[in-house]
Amino acid sequence: NAGVMQNPRHLVRRRGQEARLRCSPMKGHSHVYWYRQLPEEGLKFMVYLQKENIIDESGMPKERFSAEFPKEGPSILRIQQVVRGDSAAYFCASRATGSYYGYTFGSGTRLTVV
Amino acid sequence: GIQVEQSPPDLILQEGANSTLRCNFSDSVNNLQWFHQNPWGQLINLFYIPSGTKQNGRLSATTVATERYSLLYISSSQTTDSGVYFCAVSGGATNKLIFGTGTLLAVQP
Repeated sequence: NAGVMQNPRHLVRRRGQEARLRCSPMKGHSHVYWYRQLPEEGLKFMVYLQKENIIDESGMPKERFSAEFPKEGPSILRIQQVVRGDSAAYFCASRATGSYYGYTFGSGTRLTVV
Repeated sequence: GIQVEQSPPDLILQEGANSTLRCNFSDSVNNLQWFHQNPWGQLINLFYIPSGTKQNGRLSATTVATERYSLLYISSSQTTDSGVYFCAVSGGATNKLIFGTGTLLAVQP
């Protein structure tokens, strides 16, 4: 039973390019959360999705960032026209419906904007 | 929203020493977890502990939900315990986890 899978592990983008980060939740988990960790800081909530729905995007920057969790396939966090300030580690977590036995986190994607 | 405070912010230990990390939160929660982020950046889930006491080897945790705090105990520390320890809580409709600012632990040989 694989855990939460994130890819790529490391991503380098030039300023102005697009970054696409993928998250496959644990089997049977339909709730996905994305977090961002800036260097030397804690994890900040970005967005909460269930299959095909965005439930809470209160932590998402208003521009350039979007997220989806389609019926089939992984959840995608998309950052358009990246800037140096987007350099961070992006973590995904999943949980099962009705389960409060804790959230399982992936290993993260480290985005570097050059 | 819920506020989460951790103390101390930094801690240096000699190998073999014991330590206690504290997490205070501002409102009732239905989930509390302790994580260890190792020097390679991986987040390791240590405990799911919204209340009560749990033990796992040299680590144990206690949450007193009525008083809104949790403690993480590390006994006989080892250099591999180094890293950042985060407390995270959730409550409310979306149950999003809110992280504290962490305790940076360095265990010296």
